[in-house]
Amino acid sequence: GAVVSQHPSRVICKSGTSVKIECRSLDFQATTMFWYRQFPKQSLMLMATSNEGSKATYEQGVEKDKFLINHASLTLSTLTVTSAHPEDSSFYICSAGTGVLTTDEKLFFGSGTQLSVL
Amino acid sequence: GEDVEQSLFLSVREGDSSVINCTYTDSSSTYLYWYKQEPGAGLQLLTYIFSNMDMKQDQRLTVLLNKKDKHLSLRIADTQTGDSAIYFCAESMVRGSTLGRLYFGRGTQLTVWP
Repeated sequence: GAVVSQHPSRVICKSGTSVKIECRSLDFQATTMFWYRQFPKQSLMLMATSNEGSKATYEQGVEKDKFLINHASLTLSTLTVTSAHPEDSSFYICSAGTGVLTTDEKLFFGSGTQLSVL
Repeated sequence: GEDVEQSLFLSVREGDSSVINCTYTDSSSTYLYWYKQEPGAGLQLLTYIFSNMDMKQDQRLTVLLNKKDKHLSLRIADTQTGDSAIYFCAESMVRGSTLGRLYFGRGTQLTVWP
């Protein structure tokens, strides 16, 4: 099956630094990638949708300048948490879709990144 | 609306069947999914059902969809301790640029006792 690789799986950083998370589709072209955030014992909340070659669409309440998303190619999207603060500590998960609705339409998820900001 | 509701906890004995329930509110849902998440890991797609289906079976997993009541369930037969995890119900809708967007429930923590 299709595989989405997310890296790093865990990162600890100091407050004020920036952290980049990568999401790669390994064996298919992902025209659309989604970034979710998950708080402990909570559901996944969509942060933004990125389409290759265009600007990301952010959900209401998500700061565009805080969470920079780049989808430069059909296999790679990155999320950069800029000037991270302890309240940004969370589990971030990406997913990738083919952008074509078929009877097999499904998204493929990365394994997630646990961000801890000290 | 786009609310997806699940009960938070379920405990069963090894070998019994588990039934995890989910309700959703948007009748325009196209696909409904069940994902499994083990501690510290990402989401693993277990199964999904298209909205024009009533039932789907895949080995130990049976998904039932009642569109009238907007109710989805996942039955795991012969539950094993390795099935202990959080199970998320999710729905997707097709509305222009929102293709592929998923709305998740809060997840059901399944605990399997030996």
